[in-house]
Amino acid sequence: QQQVKQSPQSLIVQKGGISIINCAYENTAFDYFPWYQQFPGKGPALLIAIRPDVSEKKEGRFTISFNKSAKQFSLHIMDSQPGDSATYFCAASMLGYQKVTFGTGTKLQVIP
Amino acid sequence: DSGVTQTPKHLITATGQRVTLRCSPRSGDLSVYWYQQSLDQGLQFLIQYYNGEERAKGNILERFSAQQFPDLHSELNLSSLELGDSALYFCASSETGMNTEAFFGQGTRLTVV
Repeated sequence: QQQVKQSPQSLIVQKGGISIINCAYENTAFDYFPWYQQFPGKGPALLIAIRPDVSEKKEGRFTISFNKSAKQFSLHIMDSQPGDSATYFCAASMLGYQKVTFGTGTKLQVIP
Repeated sequence: DSGVTQTPKHLITATGQRVTLRCSPRSGDLSVYWYQQSLDQGLQFLIQYYNGEERAKGNILERFSAQQFPDLHSELNLSSLELGDSALYFCASSETGMNTEAFFGQGTRLTVV
């Protein structure tokens, strides 16, 4: 019940295209859903996060869509750029609790 | 640069040995988290300290232990090392204990041979 399932495992998108990464969770007590971006040789960095009281959050080219009834959330990267090539992790936690459960990661490659 | 410093960057050691990984959190951050990242297990939360006290425990083996010192730096001790302990170990820090915006270090790559 603590798992966060992430798909796809890898993704190749052409420059200018839309990258979409999906995550699903089981534990309805989760109420904080961050996305992390990790470049090779670096630690994960917080990209954008959402709480379940909103259905969408946008920051620049990055948008999180959240479907509470389906227990799913997704990351959309608009106008994908080669510099976006990285591994993306979705995660979930309960505010007030320190354990963050991460998805398995999606390796995104944006080709020119 | 996240402001979180981890040393060493790479570590190669033999099975059965003990190693210590060090983490200096961002200035002002009271909370330190340790994560293990491996190819088959992904990112796994190990343990969290807040202002010197253990706050939360995750999938941390009994062979592993951690502590946070008065100057807020933290150490993760791994003993009786096995081949399967080879992984990237990340430290993250946050201002509060809420784990909402945690900043990760660059990690220590441990290879057990």
